[in-house]
Amino acid sequence: EDQVTQSPEALRLQEGESSSLNCSYTVSGLRGLFWYRQDPGKGPEFLFTLYSAGEEKEKERLKATLTKKESFLHITAPKPEDSATYLCAVFYNQGGKLIFGQGTELSVKP
Amino acid sequence: DTEVTQTPKHLVMGMTNKKSLKCEQHMGHRAMYWYKQKAKKPPELMFVYSYEKLSINESVPSRFSPECPNSSLLNLHLHALQPEDSALYLCASSQSWTYTEAFFGQGTRLTVV
Repeated sequence: EDQVTQSPEALRLQEGESSSLNCSYTVSGLRGLFWYRQDPGKGPEFLFTLYSAGEEKEKERLKATLTKKESFLHITAPKPEDSATYLCAVFYNQGGKLIFGQGTELSVKP
Repeated sequence: DTEVTQTPKHLVMGMTNKKSLKCEQHMGHRAMYWYKQKAKKPPELMFVYSYEKLSINESVPSRFSPECPNSSLLNLHLHALQPEDSALYLCASSQSWTYTEAFFGQGTRLTVV
């Protein structure tokens, strides 16, 4: 069964404490993996697209990496404003269907 | 500019009402989507339009009726909704239907009373 699993479900960090979020997937024919950030009551904000194993993308304190079975979102020296739910989603062989993971709720305390 | 605009931001409607949600993008994207999101859950795909034609309908009840009048606009017509339909409704667009990132609007918070 095609599935996207994110871990942990919730993560509490102190400001400056680096960590990683995980997104593992079991889909046939991955065509693209996407990371989004979502604030409460708002729409998801696009962060990164990854297409092939070994690919890496960076933006400010965030770095996304992709292997054949999972993706990581590394957060370096997070700040309170990084607090949000982070969603990963995959396109697989059947175009047009984004499968979302359940999300990781990140809280960064000052 | 990666803006997708949704109106209204909030909507309260009775179970016998008819209302419409609107979505607009001016990025030249040819694929547009409707998603439904319940609290603490990920977005669930409802409909996909590609080049103004309905390409995917995820077995959504007929009380939800999508419409794509042109390449920039997407509507979702609502009729005889149930309280369990209360949710955040998200519109998104992407360059094409295949494997490109989707950009989301801020959503319409719908409450059915």
